[in-house]
Order: sequence, then structure tokens, then C-alpha cells
Amino acid sequence: AQSVAQPEDQVNVAEGNPLTVKCTYSVSGNPYLFWYVQYPNRGLQFLLKYITGDNLVKGSYGFEAEFNKSQTSFHLKKPSALVSDSALYFCAVRDPQGGGNKLTFGTGTQLKVEL
Amino acid sequence: DTEVTQTPKHLVMGMTNKKSLKCEQHMGHRAMYWYKQKAKKPPELMFVYSYEKLSINESVPSRFSPECPNSSLLNLHLHALQPEDSALYLCASSRDSILARSYEQYFGPGTRLTVT
Repeated sequence: AQSVAQPEDQVNVAEGNPLTVKCTYSVSGNPYLFWYVQYPNRGLQFLLKYITGDNLVKGSYGFEAEFNKSQTSFHLKKPSALVSDSALYFCAVRDPQGGGNKLTFGTGTQLKVEL
Repeated sequence: DTEVTQTPKHLVMGMTNKKSLKCEQHMGHRAMYWYKQKAKKPPELMFVYSYEKLSINESVPSRFSPECPNSSLLNLHLHALQPEDSALYLCASSRDSILARSYEQYFGPGTRLTVT
């Protein structure tokens, strides 16, 4: 079975400071990992993914994420937060060996960036 | 074009009504999905279509009936819904091939459904 955990319901950060949104996963083999962002009353937008290769993945809007196999983590990061980054962030995992064509989402982390 | 469109944006229906949600994509994707999302919660998968055939039904009540008329369109027919079915209904699509699991899903803006 595949699962993903986002341990923080909310993350607060000041504009201009670095931000980190945490994600850990559990799959039987090597995972496919994704980050999505959701603004109020909107659908989810794809930010970035890790499939294989370089552990540091760069995505949209200046976001990046680091895959750490030993810690089973895939934390989302941005060097300098913007107020416009305030949104709900979901980490998701897909097991390439099983689970069908099914994406499992974490519970979400609300990011609030303040002036 | 990475757009998935959904209509209507908002829908209010009574428990005896029949209505349909529509989803369309022109990215050539062959996998399409319906999700249900409650406020501040992650999306819950309902159905997956692969090459116009239903491949996953997550034990969804029969009052929800999906349909995939062609590779670009996905419908969700609603009948005799309950107030607890009120939610944001999201459609998504992705490429579907042997490597399908590595492909990201593209989501539409959703239909906000209220059942009275």
C-alpha cells in the first residue's frame, strides 16, 4: 500500500524568508512523488515531480523539492517566500509497482506567507 | 494547452433532481479522473477512465454515474443525491501509457455542488 504524510496542518512564514513544507511517504518500491498547489476555489495545479535521477527537483514558480530515500521524504522548498504563495499544498505519491493508476494525496498543508 | 475545463462552475440541486457535470480536455490525454473534495481536505478519487473504459471505481454509490463519450469528454451524471454529497467535484486528465504512473495529472477548476 502507498501512503503519504504531511505532518504540519499549517506553516507560517514571513515574506522573503525561505519556506519548507514537509512530506514523507511509504511505498513498497521506488516512489513517484508529486507536489500540487491549490488556491481558494480552484483546482489543483501541478508544481513538480520526482521520478528518477537527480534528487533535487526544480518546478514552477521557483519551488523545488529534495528527494531523500533514506528518510523517505520529499520536502517542498522555496528560497524566498511571496505573499502570493499562500495556498494549500498537497504532496502525492504513486507506487510504480502497484496501486494501479491511482495517486494518493497527503492531508495538505496550508501555507500562510505574511508581510 | 494544458487546460481542463469543467461546467458548470456552480450547481445547486435538490435531492430528487437529475443533473450532469461535464469535463473536457484537448491535450490528447487518454486517462481521465473524477475526484470529490471537501473543504480543506485532499481530493478523494471516485473514478478513472483509461482509453474511454472505466478502469477504477472507488466503490462510489450508484447515484453517481460516470460516462466517457470520447477521449476528450468526461461526464458525471447525478441522481438522487444526499446533502452530504455537497462538495467540489474535480476532473483531471493525464497521459496514459505503460509509463502512465510517472505522468502528472492536470486538474480542472472544479464544480461546486450544493445538494439541498
